[in-house]
Amino acid sequence: QQQVKQSPQSLIVQKGGISIINCAYENTAFDYFPWYQQFPGKGPALLIAIRPDVSEKKEGRFTISFNKSAKQFSLHIMDSQPGDSATYFCAAKNSWGKLQFGAGTQVVVTP
Amino acid sequence: GAGVSQSPSNKVTEKGKDVELRCDPISGHTALYWYRQSLGQGLEFLIYFQGNSAPDKSGLPSDRFSAERTGGSVSTLTIQRTQQEDSAVYLCASSEGQRSNEQFFGPGTRLTVL
Repeated sequence: QQQVKQSPQSLIVQKGGISIINCAYENTAFDYFPWYQQFPGKGPALLIAIRPDVSEKKEGRFTISFNKSAKQFSLHIMDSQPGDSATYFCAAKNSWGKLQFGAGTQVVVTP
Repeated sequence: GAGVSQSPSNKVTEKGKDVELRCDPISGHTALYWYRQSLGQGLEFLIYFQGNSAPDKSGLPSDRFSAERTGGSVSTLTIQRTQQEDSAVYLCASSEGQRSNEQFFGPGTRLTVL
């Protein structure tokens, strides 16, 4: 049973465009929602994270939007660059539990 | 500083052989996780160690899979009688503790079973 559903599976965006990845969850006990970035041949690395008491968090060109009532959160990559080409995973956990990962989104930014 | 390291980086084995994968977590991290990532797929949780507590083995796919963590540091994931469907990247992660949210991942071991 997949507790975090992620879409799309892949997306292609032109340099300078906006990449949007969406995730939905079921467990209302989740209280931490991170996004991980993974480059080929590397392990995932934490990119940005949010807690459900805020609706948005921005770090540089990366923004998480969080909708608690809809149990959805999304990652926006503004001004996408070729170096952003990677696989992105959303995840969720509660304070005592394990991270539950989405299936991942492969982002390709074309020059 | 040193991150999570894993060895070997690549392992090719024949069906039916046993393999051991090693993980060295970040020094001082008490929590250690093993995940499996099949081609183009997400991260499948395998097992979790927290300090001296009994490990959470709920993600191990079969009794051919086992893991141990010696001295609260280095961990070894063992797959016995490997099958072709075991081919995947095996990722290790560590964190400061059970309530610490950020997990730091190693580069993974790519296992190919012929």
